[in-house]
Amino acid sequence: AQSVTQLDSHVSVSEGTPVLLRCNYSSSYSPSLFWYVQHPNKGLQLLLKYTSAATLVKGINGFEAEFKKSETSFHLTKPSAHMSDAAEYFCVVSSITGNQFYFGTGTSLTVIP
Amino acid sequence: NAGVMQNPRHLVRRRGQEARLRCSPMKGHSHVYWYRQLPEEGLKFMVYLQKENIIDESGMPKERFSAEFPKEGPSILRIQQVVRGDSAAYFCASSPPGVRGWNQPQHFGDGTRLSIL
Repeated sequence: AQSVTQLDSHVSVSEGTPVLLRCNYSSSYSPSLFWYVQHPNKGLQLLLKYTSAATLVKGINGFEAEFKKSETSFHLTKPSAHMSDAAEYFCVVSSITGNQFYFGTGTSLTVIP
Repeated sequence: NAGVMQNPRHLVRRRGQEARLRCSPMKGHSHVYWYRQLPEEGLKFMVYLQKENIIDESGMPKERFSAEFPKEGPSILRIQQVVRGDSAAYFCASSPPGVRGWNQPQHFGDGTRLSIL
């Protein structure tokens, strides 16, 4: 069975400081992993995806994530937070067929001016 | 190139009424997925459809909920005899045809917020 665990429900950082949003996954096969961002009352926007190519994945808006098989982790990072980064972030693993996405419970990112 | 379009954005119904949520996938996409998001939770998969076919409905409640994706027109998620617990945000996603697999991202609409009075 596939699942993801987002270790922090809320993260608060100061503007200009690094962001780290943690995600651990469980999968019976080599997974595809995604990070999505959701701004208030909006849909989900794809930030980046990992599909067994390079383990360090670069996404939009300066975000990147590193796939670590030994740690079953796929943490999302950004060197310098911007006010516009304040949103809900979801770590997602795909079923092997691609029919279903399994979502983490989300991490709410607050950026303090 | 329009994204996934959902309407209405907000829907209010009284208990016992029917709710119809519509989703038009991105141009060129023939796979549609419906998800439900309860407050403070992630999205939960409900159903996966292709044109005129339900492929996977393992996440759909057994009663009152149904979904379709006709040959022409948008996909419809229908909830009959709504109850307070149906209040949630319902999201639709789409992906292109072709090789199905685990590495295809899904593109999401802005959701329909359903409130049951």
